[in-house]
Amino acid sequence: DSGVTQTPKHLITATGQRVTLRCSPRSGDLSVYWYQQSLDQGLQFLIHYYNGEERAKGNILERFSAQQFPDLHSELNLSSLELGDSALYFCASSVGTSGRYVDTQYFGPGTRLTVL
Amino acid sequence: DAKTTQPPSMDCAEGRAANLPCNHSTISGNEYVYWYRQIHSQGPQYIIHGLKNNETNEMASLIITEDRKSSTLILPHATLRDTAVYYCIVRGHDNTGNQFYFGTGTSLTVIP
Repeated sequence: DSGVTQTPKHLITATGQRVTLRCSPRSGDLSVYWYQQSLDQGLQFLIHYYNGEERAKGNILERFSAQQFPDLHSELNLSSLELGDSALYFCASSVGTSGRYVDTQYFGPGTRLTVL
Repeated sequence: DAKTTQPPSMDCAEGRAANLPCNHSTISGNEYVYWYRQIHSQGPQYIIHGLKNNETNEMASLIITEDRKSSTLILPHATLRDTAVYYCIVRGHDNTGNQFYFGTGTSLTVIP
């Protein structure tokens, strides 16, 4: 158990819909990262938040957005869903000092999204 | 970030040591070598990381060559539960952030 929690575990929805995935980082961690893992793409970095502020963006679609709240939990919002958005979505957290160092990331169990 | 090269798959007999190689010939001085594994579709699990010196923890040992261009992850006594995809990641802090870039990894199968 990494200490990172994600809800829900599974989500089935239809094309065009909008969903929200939630992540609670390990106690004391200030950084949250979101990754997407689809069958043909492997693990892809989406976005990084540190203490409520966006720090880095990866290959995140404009239809996707995220935020980190004052209690440090994070939500990933996916809208206008397409079949190709079906994937595992992982959240990771790290201590994340001032962003000056690379620190170990601990991953949650993931949310499996299926778009029908 | 330095790119890494790993063999796509390996087998190991249960109870034997599993030695997983990783090449990172373009690694720079401030970049760390990280190892993660992913069992089936679970979240990636942190194993170990190092900069220059060899490292050991309760899960594994990491041997980094003196020129830092390659490393080996050693699972001393592989069990069936060690069957997973193992990712070698090289990362240092830069102005693009602290995110990890996962390659395709090595699929390790531990055989009874």
